[in-house]
Amino acid sequence: AQSVTQLDSQVPVFEEAPVELRCNYSSSVSVYLFWYVQYPNQGLQLLLKYLSGSTLVESINGFEAEFNKSQTSFHLRKPSVHISDTAEYFCAVTPRSGYSTLTFGKGTMLLVSP
Amino acid sequence: NAGVTQTPKFQVLKTGQSMTLQCAQDMNHNSMYWYRQDPGMGLRLIYYSASEGTTDKGEVPNGYNVSRLNKREFSLRLESAAPSQTSVYFCASSGQLGNTIYFGEGSWLTVV
Repeated sequence: AQSVTQLDSQVPVFEEAPVELRCNYSSSVSVYLFWYVQYPNQGLQLLLKYLSGSTLVESINGFEAEFNKSQTSFHLRKPSVHISDTAEYFCAVTPRSGYSTLTFGKGTMLLVSP
Repeated sequence: NAGVTQTPKFQVLKTGQSMTLQCAQDMNHNSMYWYRQDPGMGLRLIYYSASEGTTDKGEVPNGYNVSRLNKREFSLRLESAAPSQTSVYFCASSGQLGNTIYFGEGSWLTVV
């Protein structure tokens, strides 16, 4: 079985500051990793994913995440946040082999203030 | 392009009443899911359907039933609603299990 830990339930930052949202996972097998974003009163949307290849993956709106196998982490970063980045962010994991459902972390609320 | 559509968006039920949440996807996906989202608990999988004709329990199936009506539609039924089922419910779909999941907009359910 897999598990995902998002250590921070809330991360407050000022606009244009850098941010890191932490995600650690536990799994006995190799995994695929995802970050989803949920804007207020909406469903979740895929932000980025790591399947294979380069361990650094990027999204179209400036977020990036790096897969670190030795530390079993997939932290999400953005060098300069905007007010519009205020949302809840969920990390998720699924095994590479076979077909399985995604396991989600409990989410981190990113609060960007002016 | 509608993606995943779920209805109703809001519903208030009395304890003991029954209701069905409807979900349809137009992406020709094989797999469909029902999640509930509660504050501080993240998303918890209620039931899923890996492919048409199959359904399986997720993490929190008690008090719910599902029907995979066809490839497009996957409904969630509360037979006798309880206040503990007050939540936001999300339907989702993916090409296969483990692929990227696409979510609906959510259904806010309150049981009084």
